[in-house]
Amino acid sequence: AQSVAQPEDQVNVAEGNPLTVKCTYSVSGNPYLFWYVQYPNRGLQFLLKYITGDNLVKGSYGFEAEFNKSQTSFHLKKPSALVSDSALYFCAVRDGTGNTGKLIFGQGTTLQVKP
Amino acid sequence: NAGVMQNPRHLVRRRGQEARLRCSPMKGHSHVYWYRQLPEEGLKFMVYLQKENIIDESGMPKERFSAEFPKEGPSILRIQQVVRGDSAAYFCASSPVGGPSYEQYFGPGTRLTVT
Repeated sequence: AQSVAQPEDQVNVAEGNPLTVKCTYSVSGNPYLFWYVQYPNRGLQFLLKYITGDNLVKGSYGFEAEFNKSQTSFHLKKPSALVSDSALYFCAVRDGTGNTGKLIFGQGTTLQVKP
Repeated sequence: NAGVMQNPRHLVRRRGQEARLRCSPMKGHSHVYWYRQLPEEGLKFMVYLQKENIIDESGMPKERFSAEFPKEGPSILRIQQVVRGDSAAYFCASSPVGGPSYEQYFGPGTRLTVT
């Protein structure tokens, strides 16, 4: 069965410091991996995805993520955090072998960036 | 290009009433997905539809819930005889194609409160 784990409920970081939000996954076939951000009382906004190719994927707002097949991880990173990055972040996976459209989401990680 | 539209944004129903949630996908998108977000939880897949077809309803509760995406008009998620446990945020997403590598674009959600 497909699953996604985000081991940290909350990540705190000072503005200007690098940030990492962790994600590990489990799928039976090739993984298609996504990161979304949710601001309070809003829908999810797409940040970036890994399909194939380079393990380092660059996305919106200066975010990037590193795909590591041996560790089944897809951690979200940003070199220098902004207070406005404070939000709820979701990692999601799809199994590439099936025809299903569904995304399997992690529980979410709250990122708090302090000035 | 307008994003995914959902209405109403907030819906209050008494126990036993019916709730109808509407979703208009982005222009040019013919694939629609519904997810439910319970308080303090991540998003859970409910159903995946194309025009006039249900592709995957593996996440839908067996009773009281139904979904449609007619040839004309928005997709509708219908909950009959609502109970307090149905209180949640319901998100709709759309994509232009149904393949696993395509990201989904989310609407702002409908927050259902059952009193």
